[in-house]
Order: sequence, then C-alpha cells, then structure tokens
Amino acid sequence: KQEVTQIPAALSVPEGENLVLNCSFTDSAIYNLQWFRQDPGKGLTSLLLIQSSQREQTSGRLNASLDKSSGRSTLYIAASQPGDSATYLCAVTPSARQLTFGSGTQLTVLP
Amino acid sequence: SAVISQKPSRDICQRGTSLTIQCQVDSQVTMMFWYRQQPGQSLTLIATANQGSEATYESGFVIDKFPISRPNLTFSTLTVSNMSPEDSSIYLCSGGEVTYGYTFGSGTRLTVV
Repeated sequence: KQEVTQIPAALSVPEGENLVLNCSFTDSAIYNLQWFRQDPGKGLTSLLLIQSSQREQTSGRLNASLDKSSGRSTLYIAASQPGDSATYLCAVTPSARQLTFGSGTQLTVLP
Repeated sequence: SAVISQKPSRDICQRGTSLTIQCQVDSQVTMMFWYRQQPGQSLTLIATANQGSEATYESGFVIDKFPISRPNLTFSTLTVSNMSPEDSSIYLCSGGEVTYGYTFGSGTRLTVV
C-alpha cells in the first residue's frame, strides 16, 4: 500500500527566506506527483504537477523536484512571503489512479 | 485544468437528517472522487464516483451512509445520510484526468448538531 510522508509537519520562517518542504513515498510505481496548497477551511489549489518521467517543474517562485527511484520530492519556495502561509500537501497518483496524500506541512511566514 | 464548483460551501444540520453536496465541472472529466477531511487531518478518500454505475467505496465507507451519483462526466453528488456529530468534517470533490492531474472543489464545511 502506498504511503506518503511529509516532513516537517510544521514550519515557521521569517519573510524573505528560501525554504524546502519534503515529501517521500513508498512505492515508486506512480503516474505523477502533485503539490497542493490549502488555506484554512478551504479546498485545495494545485500548485505543480510532475509527471513520472520528469525531474522538476517550476511556477514562479515555486520549484518542485521528483526523484522517483528514491521515492522523494521537494517543494522549494523562494523569497517566502506572508501570503505563502498555508498547508502544503503532496500527493501521488499510483496505478489505482486516485490520489494518495501526505499529512501536509503547515507553513507560517512571519512578516 | 478543470474548474469545479461545489455547493453548499457550508451547512449546519440536525442529527438524523441528510445533506446532499453537489459538484459541477466545467468540462468533461474521466475521474471524479469524494474526500473527507476531519479537523487537523489530511484527506481521506471516500469513494470514486463512476459515471453511469455504482461508486467504488474505500474501506470504512458504505453506500447506505454515503450514496453517490454521477449521471454524466461533468456532475456528481454525495449525500451524507442519517448524520451524527461524528460526520462533522470538510467534504471535498475532485476531478480530472490522471495524465493532467486533478483539481478540487472549494469544499463543504459540515457541522452536525
């Protein structure tokens, strides 16, 4: 059974710092990996999608990498801002096609 | 990516009643799912909504409690039946294609009193 782990569970940084969120998964047989953002009490916003054949994807200040063979992904956020404060969720799509989620990293960026 | 409209956004319901949540997608999608997110927790998959046939439920979720409809490739409903306070959660629908990733509705915050 696929398991997804996110470290750290919570992170607090001052504004302007670059930061890295980590995600690991146990079964490398995945179609792709998505990073989502969730604001309190809200739905999920897709940030980046990395196909299993890709190594990384970039969108603005966000960069996500994927090492499928080792079961790891990282989300890099450059020059963090208070508006980046949210919970970040990593999810993989295994052969069963539905997403398997990690437990999330709660990020707080202090002004 | 598909845009999903979910309603209601929130509701407060009496125990023993039922609530139906609707999700409308702005384009046809192959896959639609329903998730539950309890306070402070990650998402738990309830079921895969299959177009024109019965939904596929995950362990711990049953059709009598969470009946799901998916009459076409753009619409699905989830009903939470005979509600108890333990059903208080955020319910989310998701849809898309495995190749292009999935998007989510804005969620329904349900409180059962």
